[in-house]
Amino acid sequence: DSGVTQTPKHLITATGQRVTLRCSPRSGDLSVYWYQQSLDQGLQFLIQYYNGEERAKGNILERFSAQQFPDLHSELNLSSLELGDSALYFCASSVGAVKYYEQYFGPGTRLTVT
Amino acid sequence: GQNIDQPTEMTATEGAIVQINCTYQTSGFNGLFWYQQHAGEAPTFLSYNVLDGLEEKGRFSSFLSRSKGYSYLLLKELQMKDSASYLCAVRDQLASNYQLIWGAGTKLIIKP
Repeated sequence: DSGVTQTPKHLITATGQRVTLRCSPRSGDLSVYWYQQSLDQGLQFLIQYYNGEERAKGNILERFSAQQFPDLHSELNLSSLELGDSALYFCASSVGAVKYYEQYFGPGTRLTVT
Repeated sequence: GQNIDQPTEMTATEGAIVQINCTYQTSGFNGLFWYQQHAGEAPTFLSYNVLDGLEEKGRFSSFLSRSKGYSYLLLKELQMKDSASYLCAVRDQLASNYQLIWGAGTKLIIKP
C-alpha cells in the first residue's frame, strides 16, 4: 500500500459524459501527478500540482482539467468523453516538486467509456 | 527530442537471471528510474540511478552509463512473482518541471 488513495476504482460511462476522478496523496506529500495508461501502452504524464498550484503540463487534452485543493487532495475532470479516453488513470504523489523525489502511485481508476 | 527504448517482451525461467535494457535520448538527463508494474496495478519504485555504475538492492540491480545513454535492470534468482512489466523512466531537466519521460515498458514472463 503506497498510501495514495484514488476513487472510484472503476467507472463506466457513456460517450459525451463528464466524470471526476479523485486522489488523496500520501501524508506529507505536496506534489500530485496524474497519468493516463491505455491498454498495453506506457504511462502518459498529464499534469502536476504542487501545494495547490499547477507546476507542469504534459499531454493533457483541453477536455481534461485538474485542480489541487487546500487539503492537498486532487481531482481530475474529464469531459465530453470519447471511446479513446478509456484507460487506467493513475495519481502519484511525492514530497517535493522538482528535485529527486520518488513518486508513489495510487491503485488507479479504470475508466471505461461505452 | 526525447526517446526511450525498451524491449517489448522478454521470457525467462524461474531461478535464472534476466537483464532488461533501456536506451534513452534526452537533452537534459537528470536521473533514471525503474518501476515494476503488475498487470492492472500501480507501478512501484525499484531503483534510481543518476551517476554511472551499478546500484544493488537485493535480487535487483540497476546499471547506468550516461555516456552511452544506457541502463539495465538485472533480476537474479527469478521468482514467478517477478512476472510483470518493468518501466524505465528518465528525468529530463529540460522537460516541464523536470518531468519523467516514460518508456513503454518491458513485459517479463517467467516460466517454471
